[in-house]
Amino acid sequence: NAGVMQNPRHLVRRRGQEARLRCSPMKGHSHVYWYRQLPEEGLKFMVYLQKENIIDESGMPKERFSAEFPKEGPSILRIQQVVRGDSAAYFCASSPSGGHYGYTFGSGTRLTVV
Amino acid sequence: SQQGEEDPQALSIQEGENATMNCSYKTSINNLQWYRQNSGRGLVHLILIRSNEREKHSGRLRVTLDTSKKSSSLLITASRAADTASYFCATDVFGEGAQKLVFGQGTRLTINP
Repeated sequence: NAGVMQNPRHLVRRRGQEARLRCSPMKGHSHVYWYRQLPEEGLKFMVYLQKENIIDESGMPKERFSAEFPKEGPSILRIQQVVRGDSAAYFCASSPSGGHYGYTFGSGTRLTVV
Repeated sequence: SQQGEEDPQALSIQEGENATMNCSYKTSINNLQWYRQNSGRGLVHLILIRSNEREKHSGRLRVTLDTSKKSSSLLITASRAADTASYFCATDVFGEGAQKLVFGQGTRLTINP
């Protein structure tokens, strides 16, 4: 059981480029959550997805950010036209049942925009 | 302010002492969870306490939950240098659409050898 796998671990992008962050949930988990952590802060909820559905995207910025969790393959968090303020650690978590028994977090992707 | 607020923001103690961290929240919850994060690393789930539970133990960890005061505490007994990390409480929010975790700002714990 490999746990929640996120890649890449570190990603450097120039302003204006696109960033794609991938998350493979634990085996048997069909609920995926994305969180963002700014330096010295706690995690902020971004989006909650189940296979092929966005359940709650109340934490997603209105522009440039999108997320998907296709029937096959990992969940993708996509940030278009990145700006310096997007630099943060992005964590993915998965659960088997909407969080009733806790969540398993990945190691995160640290995005640096230069 | 945030749903989960930890207190203190930073705590520095000697190895062997006990460390107590507190968390307050605002809305009704399904459960409350504590996580540890080592510098620059991911989160490790420590313990989950449900809204109908008052106390839970796991090894050197003891968590209490007081739903009337909307507060929780995490006690680490006989601290070790390896316990140095940031500790976050997260509330699993009830009744705000889909379930999700709401994190506090964290307590940065330093254990001095």
